[in-house]
Amino acid sequence: QSVLTQPPSVSGAPGQRVTISCTGSSSNIGAHYGVHWYQQLPGTAPKLLIYGNSNRPSGVPDRFSGSKSGTSASLAITGLQAEDEAVYYCQSFDSSLSGRVFGGGTKLTVL
Amino acid sequence: EVQLVESGGGLVQPGGSLRLSCAASGFTFSSYDMHWVRQAPGKGLEYVSAINTNGGSTYYANSVKGRFTISRDNSKNTLYLQMGSLKPEDMAVYYCARVAGSYGGYDYWGQGTPVTVSS
Repeated sequence: QSVLTQPPSVSGAPGQRVTISCTGSSSNIGAHYGVHWYQQLPGTAPKLLIYGNSNRPSGVPDRFSGSKSGTSASLAITGLQAEDEAVYYCQSFDSSLSGRVFGGGTKLTVL
Repeated sequence: EVQLVESGGGLVQPGGSLRLSCAASGFTFSSYDMHWVRQAPGKGLEYVSAINTNGGSTYYANSVKGRFTISRDNSKNTLYLQMGSLKPEDMAVYYCARVAGSYGGYDYWGQGTPVTVSS
């Protein structure tokens, strides 16, 4: 059972927009710790996609965006492409556990 | 170019020990906090341990506290994870990751080293 809750799967057709939610609590996302998002392609290490709730590292397309409100955060992907098919993880810091916590991951399928 | 290269993974019996290494290059290693993150087969990511820039502060997930020890040698640009009293549930790919700022995300990851715990 992950501290941060994500839907196990989402799907969308090429060109569409999808969102992935990440729900936490008052000891992590709600405590104003930043939320970060990672993309993990099959057989590879995770890659930082969004940091500090809504910032994109250099090289990440602006089709990816992040937001946060209260105890939840969201990752939005617009203009879906086949290459976006991957597992996406959210991550934050939890003050009760005194450590980083991850969501369980969401598998994105591009139909 | 920033590179993190893990090594030391392998097959170990339950109750055994293993030391993982992570060789860093392409950045000033001593300026960054470093973490270990693992991923069990077919499962999600799990934070394991953290160490600050000079090695003076270390942190552990409850699942490994008392069994694992994180350390670093800034003169060798290398991060370590000494794992002891290994359990089948410790079986995973272990990644080292660089932390971008306080409570920041992991901006660089190694390729991972697999650890198998089995008799």
